Amino acid sequence: ILNVEQSPQSLHVQEGDSTNFTCSFPSSNFYALHWYRWETAKSPEALFVMTLNGDEKKKGRISATLNTKEGYSYLYIKGSQPEDSATYLCAFRNEKLTFGTGTRLTIIP
Amino acid sequence: DAMVIQNPRYQVTQFGKPVTLSCSQTLNHNVMYWYQQKSSQAPKLLFHYYDKDFNNEADTPDNFQSRRPNTSFCFLDIRSPGLGDAAMYLCATSRDDPYTDTQYFGPGTRLTVL
Repeated sequence: ILNVEQSPQSLHVQEGDSTNFTCSFPSSNFYALHWYRWETAKSPEALFVMTLNGDEKKKGRISATLNTKEGYSYLYIKGSQPEDSATYLCAFRNEKLTFGTGTRLTIIP
Repeated sequence: DAMVIQNPRYQVTQFGKPVTLSCSQTLNHNVMYWYQQKSSQAPKLLFHYYDKDFNNEADTPDNFQSRRPNTSFCFLDIRSPGLGDAAMYLCATSRDDPYTDTQYFGPGTRLTVL
């Protein structure tokens, strides 16, 4: 059984503050690490697919880093906005996609 | 816009009464997946189709079946729903690149079992 763990489980952040959260995953048999954003009542939306150790990806105010040797990825959000409120899921890809339980982010106006 | 559509968004069924959830896609992807997500848990893969080839996960109960009549449609059949089958069911599609394939998700069907 693969363990993909995300922390924290939930997070409240003041609008305008920056935040980050963690995904840890097995360091062996690694194909890719995916990040998804899932807003309530919508479809999970792909943010990043990361494949190489040391990868850094950025999309607007959101960025992610990857360390495959130690098995972790960080997601950063700079200058949080209310529309960033969502559950952020990471998923480890080898033969299939194995998800973590997500970090539920709430931005306080 | 190309997308993954799931119907219905909310489904209520009775204990033991068969139920079918549907998924359609306009992305023309050859892989389609069904996930189950119970409250506060990670989405869990039930099975997937690679074209017409069905791939069941080892721990998926026999109560869960799937059909893919064509590229665009995929169905999840629950033959005799139990209270423990209440969950969000997510459909996803992808092309088949094991290294980088992004999965595109529908909005899910929330199943309630009474």
